Amino acid sequence: NAGVTQTPKFRVLKTGQSMTLLCAQDMNHEYMYWYRQDPGMGLRLIHYSVGEGTTAKGEVPDGYNVSRLKKQNFLLGLESAAPSQTSVYFCASSYDSYNEQFFGPGTRLTVL
Amino acid sequence: DAKTTQPTSMDCAEGRAANLPCNHSTISGNEYVYWYRQIHSQGPQYIIHGLKNNETNEMASLIITEDRKSSTLILPHATLRDTAVYYCIARGSARQLTFGSGTQLTVLP
Repeated sequence: NAGVTQTPKFRVLKTGQSMTLLCAQDMNHEYMYWYRQDPGMGLRLIHYSVGEGTTAKGEVPDGYNVSRLKKQNFLLGLESAAPSQTSVYFCASSYDSYNEQFFGPGTRLTVL
Repeated sequence: DAKTTQPTSMDCAEGRAANLPCNHSTISGNEYVYWYRQIHSQGPQYIIHGLKNNETNEMASLIITEDRKSSTLILPHATLRDTAVYYCIARGSARQLTFGSGTQLTVLP
């Protein structure tokens, strides 16, 4: 039981490049989330999903797209990376909206 | 979600109880109080949550005042591994957690 895993752990991009971050969970959770955390700040929600095939915007969705084609996977895409997107990205999952969220180890992204 | 206020930082001696306060004076009747912690750049870890009654689990106790305007997270016997940023979140039916800046707890040897 791996919980929530994230791929890759680290990545450096140049401005304008694109990439996809993968989040996978093996707990059969319906809800999945993508957060970003900037230095010295709390987490901010980017997008979330309440089930396979669904996505919704969070607090800071601009510049990101997501897809939930399979229940266990939640992908976060950056179509044209900008330096402002340099951050640590955390994925999380939960059984429902009230129960605890389980977080992955994070992806550290630097955009030059 | 109700706004929460926490001290920026606190120290606690190893082996002693750590009491972390949180004010949520605008909390509504259906909003739960959640506590998470984040140990040095790792993903946040759930600790406990409650609505009205005090709650206890293997990690901590949560004491919520009768008027629900504040709460205290208690780590009964703090260890060095409890050094982390602790987040108090008041959340109702909204699906997103709103993380503030939290309290940096430093457990001193």
